[in-house]
Amino acid sequence: EIVLTQSPGTLSLSPGERATLSCRASQSVSSSYLAWYQQKPGQAPRLLIYGASSRATGIPDRFSGSGSGTDFTLTISRLEPEDFAVYYCQQYGSSLSRTFGQGTKVEIK
Amino acid sequence: QVQLVQSGAEVKKPGASVKVSCKASGYTFTSYGISWVRQAPGQGLEWMGWISAYNGNTNYAQKLQGRVTMTTDTSTSTAYMELRSLRSDDTAVYYCAREGEVRGVIILYYGMDVWGQGTTVTVSS
Repeated sequence: EIVLTQSPGTLSLSPGERATLSCRASQSVSSSYLAWYQQKPGQAPRLLIYGASSRATGIPDRFSGSGSGTDFTLTISRLEPEDFAVYYCQQYGSSLSRTFGQGTKVEIK
Repeated sequence: QVQLVQSGAEVKKPGASVKVSCKASGYTFTSYGISWVRQAPGQGLEWMGWISAYNGNTNYAQKLQGRVTMTTDTSTSTAYMELRSLRSDDTAVYYCAREGEVRGVIILYYGMDVWGQGTTVTVSS
C-alpha cells in the first residue's frame, strides 16, 4: 500500500501570504491519480485538484497543484480567510486502492 | 444539481451491523462509481472501498475485507455500505463520494468530486 506523508502538520500563516503544502509518496504515483481536498470543521471534504494539477470545477485559480513521481505540492498563492482549513492529498494506485495523507492544517497566525 | 444525500445517524452496539445509504441525483448514476470514506473523531480520512454503479464491481480496503459490503440499487440511484461486527473504533462519520466516470471497461479518474453530507455512526455498549 502506498503511504502518503504530508508536511508540515500545521502551517501558521496570515491572510494574503503564500501557502506551500507537501505530499510525499512511499512509491511512485501516477500524476493522473493524485488529488487534493479541503475540509472545514463539520463539513465534508471538497475536491480542489485532480490529476496533480487540474483544478476542479469552481475552484479559484489561487489554488494550484504540481509535482510528479513521489513529490507533490499544493500551493495557495494568497490566502483568503475562507482558506484556513485542513488539506488532504489522496492517491489512486495500481492495486485499485486509495490512500489519504494525514492532512495539513492551515491556521491563522 | 448533482448531489448525494445520505441516511441519518445511527447508534449501534458492538457486534452489530450498520447499513448506510447514499442517494444520488442530478446525474446518470450508472455512469460513475461511488467510494466510501470514513473519519473517526478528530482523525483523518480513511478510504473504505469503491463500487461501480455501472456493473457492481467492487474494491475494498484490505483492512475491512470480510466486514464490509458495498452494493447499489440502480432503480433508485442509491448506493449502500454495510459494515458488520462493529467495534468501538468503527465510530466515525461515514461519507459517500462520487468517483470515477465509467465508460465501459475504461474508468476516467477525476478524484472524488461530489460528496454526501456524512452519516455519524456511533458504536457503544
